[in-house]
Amino acid sequence: EPEVTQTPSHQVTQMGQEVILRCVPISNHLYFYWYRQILGQKVEFLVSFYNNEISEKSEIFDDQFSVERPDGSNFTLKIRSTKLEDSAMYFCASSYTGDSGNTIYFGEGSWLTVV
Amino acid sequence: GQNIDQPTEMTATEGAIVQINCTYQTSGFNGLFWYQQHAGEAPTFLSYNVLDGLEEKGRFSSFLSRSKGYSYLLLKELQMKDSASYLCAVRGVTSGGYNKLIFGAGTRLAVHP
Repeated sequence: EPEVTQTPSHQVTQMGQEVILRCVPISNHLYFYWYRQILGQKVEFLVSFYNNEISEKSEIFDDQFSVERPDGSNFTLKIRSTKLEDSAMYFCASSYTGDSGNTIYFGEGSWLTVV
Repeated sequence: GQNIDQPTEMTATEGAIVQINCTYQTSGFNGLFWYQQHAGEAPTFLSYNVLDGLEEKGRFSSFLSRSKGYSYLLLKELQMKDSASYLCAVRGVTSGGYNKLIFGAGTRLAVHP
């Protein structure tokens, strides 16, 4: 069964460093997302991406965050200058369309620890 | 505002049936998802409702009443491996389209022998 894959599975970084999280969405999917989950808290929407541009972003997704689709398969989330509160599990997700009938599939997550 | 409520924790016995409720108040509605999440792992899709009524999928069923802002997930013939968090998520209608899932805090289900 096709799946969303993410790398790295776990990254430890120092505060102020840049981090890039990578994702390969399901191959025929057109909508891509990043969500995050701080330990013990709910899953939160960060950003959605379609047709090479951001279609929606949350208040969490400030100027420190950016997304990119550098080639036909990868979808990346960059955090420019990490803060302690950025420590969380970051989930990439994808769906075929943005319509009601389409399931959003999640990757296994990248666990980011900022020290 | 956006609000999704589910019980924090539930316990049940192996082989039994459990119902996990979810109520929502969102600015727009375009479907409700149930996901299963084991600790430290990704949410895994279980079911989806956009019209009122019951959707059945093996041991799992999900019900939706849009007029009441209410859904439930029914798990039958519980197994120990069903011990997990169950996340209710509403697909909101946003200015940018249908692209955002709003999650509840999840219900931690513990299945015991």
